[in-house]
Amino acid sequence: SQTIHQWPATLVQPVGSPLSLECTVEGTSNPNLYWYRQAAGRGLQLLFYSVGIGQISSEVPQNLSASRPQDRQFILSSKKLLLSDSGFYLCAWTGNTIYFGEGSWLTVV
Amino acid sequence: AQSVTQLDSHVSVSEGTPVLLRCNYSSSYSPSLFWYVQHPNKGLQLLLKYTSAATLVKGINGFEAEFKKSETSFHLTKPSAHMSDAAEYFCVVRPLGTYKYIFGTGTRLKVLA
Repeated sequence: SQTIHQWPATLVQPVGSPLSLECTVEGTSNPNLYWYRQAAGRGLQLLFYSVGIGQISSEVPQNLSASRPQDRQFILSSKKLLLSDSGFYLCAWTGNTIYFGEGSWLTVV
Repeated sequence: AQSVTQLDSHVSVSEGTPVLLRCNYSSSYSPSLFWYVQHPNKGLQLLLKYTSAATLVKGINGFEAEFKKSETSFHLTKPSAHMSDAAEYFCVVRPLGTYKYIFGTGTRLKVLA
């Protein structure tokens, strides 16, 4: 069966520091992969999606970036975090529907 | 542009009474539609999905939703609310021919004893 792993689960980072969130999917090949952000009191905002290695589509211009170095690996990065980057980040992949990881809580202080 | 609107940010019902969570979508063609539930500090769980088969879709935990093309709606209902239904619910649209899953802003359901 397919599983999705996302880490770290929680992190607290100072403003201006870098960020790296990692996501891997097991049990499937060539999945479509997604990064969403859920801010407090708001819905899920699609940040990036990828249909293949090295193929990244950005939905929202901001100081975040994504990379897909391997088929089942999706990384969310930032060179310098802002306070407004705080939130709950969810990685997802799609089979017949969209399946989510457990999420990563990011607090920028 | 395709979008999804959840008409109520908060809904409160008494235990044992019906639940109605409203969702309207805009899409050029018939999309796929989904409802997800998120319990506090948990991930998202699929409740049900519509993919152009029967317009009345039954999901888990007694929830169902009806796709009404003329009204561009996909409202979620349950005949009798249970305390464990208290959570946040998201309506999601995937426009035809795209890879994007677009989420509504969510409806927080509160169930009163």
